[in-house]
Amino acid sequence: GQQVMQIPQYQHVQEGEDFTTYCNSSTTLSNIQWYKQRPGGHPVFLIQLVKSGVVKKQKRLTFQFGEAKKNSSLHITATQTTDVGTYFCAAPNAGGTSYGKLTFGQGTILTVHP
Amino acid sequence: EPEVTQTPSHQVTQMGQEVILRCVPISNHLYFYWYRQILGQKVEFLVSFYNNEISEKSEIFDDQFSVERPDGSNFTLKIRSTKLEDSAMYFCASKVLTEAFFGQGTRLTVV
Repeated sequence: GQQVMQIPQYQHVQEGEDFTTYCNSSTTLSNIQWYKQRPGGHPVFLIQLVKSGVVKKQKRLTFQFGEAKKNSSLHITATQTTDVGTYFCAAPNAGGTSYGKLTFGQGTILTVHP
Repeated sequence: EPEVTQTPSHQVTQMGQEVILRCVPISNHLYFYWYRQILGQKVEFLVSFYNNEISEKSEIFDDQFSVERPDGSNFTLKIRSTKLEDSAMYFCASKVLTEAFFGQGTRLTVV
């Protein structure tokens, strides 16, 4: 079945440092989504990337989708304590149907030290 | 802002007992899901539900699990005979097109 690998598992940074998490799929994806889960919270949708090679920015967050549509990354510039949480990439099932399940990566747990 | 609501927030049950986890998806959403997350691990898909029937289920979703949408608002997950390994956070999610909206989750503890 489809596998989505995400690294690193943990990342500790000082406030103000940058952070990047990487996601790789075993298969070519129709799209990829990113979610953030605060400690004790639930996953919250951040973005969906569809086009190969696309780069999208949301304030300090930069998302990329690889040219081959098999990898993606999330970069946070100048982290703040509010960025603490687990960042998951999630891929739709093969075929990318609207109702399809999401296969989540293992997540990267970000800790920001003030 | 509309949200997915789940009850209870925490359920403790004895092994072998039946539990029903309840969810109220966002009202105009069409697709409904249950996911679970064992403590410290990734979010795992259990089942998707569309047009009043299961559209897909995972290997985890065996005969002990069932889902229902008994009326126009509720969406339930039943575990008939709970096992210790069913202890996890269970998230309900719903969506229209792209973005999946997750509920706050029910923490199920099987003792």
